[in-house]
Amino acid sequence: GEDVEQSLFLSVREGDSSVINCTYTDSSSTYLYWYKQEPGAGLQLLTYIFSNMDMKQDQRLTVLLNKKDKHLSLRIADTQTGDSAIYFCPPPGITPGGSTLGRLYFGRGTQLTVWP
Amino acid sequence: GAVVSQHPSRVICKSGTSVKIECRSLDFQATTMFWYRQFPKQSLMLMATSNEGSKATYEQGVEKDKFLINHASLTLSTLTVTSAHPEDSSFYICSAHLRQGASETQYFGPGTRLLVL
Repeated sequence: GEDVEQSLFLSVREGDSSVINCTYTDSSSTYLYWYKQEPGAGLQLLTYIFSNMDMKQDQRLTVLLNKKDKHLSLRIADTQTGDSAIYFCPPPGITPGGSTLGRLYFGRGTQLTVWP
Repeated sequence: GAVVSQHPSRVICKSGTSVKIECRSLDFQATTMFWYRQFPKQSLMLMATSNEGSKATYEQGVEKDKFLINHASLTLSTLTVTSAHPEDSSFYICSAHLRQGASETQYFGPGTRLLVL
């Protein structure tokens, strides 16, 4: 599968902004995703960005994509304690035939802790 | 957004028994579903791709005879852990692939926690 690099931990104070970064080793996907996992729960799709976009804003979330550097980031404005979770940016897996078939490969994610 | 359910949410079984986990897409049809396994504080590991009406595609290192996958309808995929052993204890998560026009997204179920004694 494809590799992704993320910091394992991020701590912020409530009300501050959080920035979670991902760097891929390779990606030729049409879409790039951000998922959130709360303790003991499944994954929730937060947002996604089309690969020909540089930025997408969705309420408190801003996604930035630098295709040249293979760098994806998620900014959470006015971070709340309810944002505490693990955040994943899975790059798609590419089959030998060149199709992603929707397969995603996950790293360990970034554990975001928000302090009141 | 699209909803995916899993049943059961939690199961405890004795070593040697088989356990079936269901994954359902509640408000959309999914020709492709995926099964993941997650150990504590570890990443999700893709186990297999479940294809409606055909055989599942397993990732390298995943035993197909150990983890039986059946995708009998467009809204249901099942994973059966056969002859479960304590090392199979894990958090199993499924996802359903939704393609709408040019966009495609995976929606995840809430997960099933399996404990094998």
